[in-house]
Amino acid sequence: DAGITQSPRHKVTETGTPVTLRCHQTENHRYMYWYRQDPGHGLRLIHYSYGVKDTDKGEVSDGYSVSRSKTEDFLLTLESATSSQTSVYFCAISPSGGLYNEQFFGPGTRLTVL
Amino acid sequence: QQQVKQSPQSLIVQKGGISIINCAYENTAFDYFPWYQQFPGKGPALLIAIRPDVSEKKEGRFTISFNKSAKQFSLHIMDSQPGDSATYFCAASNSGGGADGLTFGKGTHLIIQP
Repeated sequence: DAGITQSPRHKVTETGTPVTLRCHQTENHRYMYWYRQDPGHGLRLIHYSYGVKDTDKGEVSDGYSVSRSKTEDFLLTLESATSSQTSVYFCAISPSGGLYNEQFFGPGTRLTVL
Repeated sequence: QQQVKQSPQSLIVQKGGISIINCAYENTAFDYFPWYQQFPGKGPALLIAIRPDVSEKKEGRFTISFNKSAKQFSLHIMDSQPGDSATYFCAASNSGGGADGLTFGKGTHLIIQP
């Protein structure tokens, strides 16, 4: 998985609790992304980062926040989880971002919000 | 508004046959078109990608055909094998803006029958 780890790999939580998912890379790539995957929707971009402390919103950012204090780590936080955020979350990294935008995905985190 | 439309949703092909998956896009600013392969429980893996300055790209048994005027591109899997059974996603992005995320189609579940 291109030097990407995600933790935890599985999590069950209750509505209203905060949840933080971690993406860690060993490739020293500048660009990192968070997607969610839901049946019938493919993958949708939540947030992305183009450098330490540089982040921006994607297509489905409501209810999510991110932080990147180190090149290798990109955190996704659900401040107050809802059942609609039950999904599989994938982190991706890209060495070049702009011109070629080759993105490589991690193994995913399956989150269930009860 | 779905910017990348993928068809069919599911596809069954006999071993040795040709698998064809089609995608159409709406945003003329898209200039990078990758295909991803995903096995159950795994993250998407980059399979092959094309840029609009060429009409076809081939890597082994996998070929992308690109029609810029029709805003369509397709994946052809020659001599399909049972190991090719997976979900395939087309995607698109605009590299001009920097760290843009990918816009995905909804996926095609491919089954290769032995």
